[in-house]
Amino acid sequence: ETGVTQTPRHLVMGMTNKKSLKCEQHLGHNAMYWYKQSAKKPLELMFVYNFKEQTENNSVPSRFSPECPNSSHLFLHLHTLQPEDSALYLCASSQDHGLAAEQYFGPGTRLTVT
Amino acid sequence: AQSVTQPDIHITVSEGASLELRCNYSYGATPYLFWYVQSPGQGLQLLLKYFSGDTLVQGIKGFEAEFKRSQSSFNLRKPSVHWSDAAEYFCAVGGNYQLIWGAGTKLIIKP
Repeated sequence: ETGVTQTPRHLVMGMTNKKSLKCEQHLGHNAMYWYKQSAKKPLELMFVYNFKEQTENNSVPSRFSPECPNSSHLFLHLHTLQPEDSALYLCASSQDHGLAAEQYFGPGTRLTVT
Repeated sequence: AQSVTQPDIHITVSEGASLELRCNYSYGATPYLFWYVQSPGQGLQLLLKYFSGDTLVQGIKGFEAEFKRSQSSFNLRKPSVHWSDAAEYFCAVGGNYQLIWGAGTKLIIKP
């Protein structure tokens, strides 16, 4: 595997379910990100981890819970989601967490909440 | 407040024609500017970036962008588009240790 991988690629879940999204980066980077991408809206940064420590949480509802066990893996745990949470969830990584850092993106998980 | 505006939701261009995608930003200091491309079913890929120096920057896939401070713009250009350029293009500005993103412009290529 190369680059940034995400699993699953598609997920349909009910509002009472609990599921997790997984992201893995094979680039040796130190920073990882979760973004939400909704149609016709700018990407919304959700969480940032730098050297496994959470450095940003952009007022994300508690029904989204991130986990970063090491610099290569990032999870997004989901529970009691709402239909408006349906979106493409993108994971990204960068060498470090700086303004100039190029971010490398995974293909995303298409989430549908029913 | 920092913001990025991509005025065109979608643009249709004939294959072989030139392309310009617009990006305007609002940022107090000298910005870090980026263009990313997202092909269908894929994540975003960096096309090019501007930090300082020469205001005309070259990127991958034959793209270039010009930073114009007086117009707060960072427009993306390509002299001749190919069908494989059909994708969504995102402009972003680096601010407060986050990227501020535009809503994207979808490029449609006519054969």
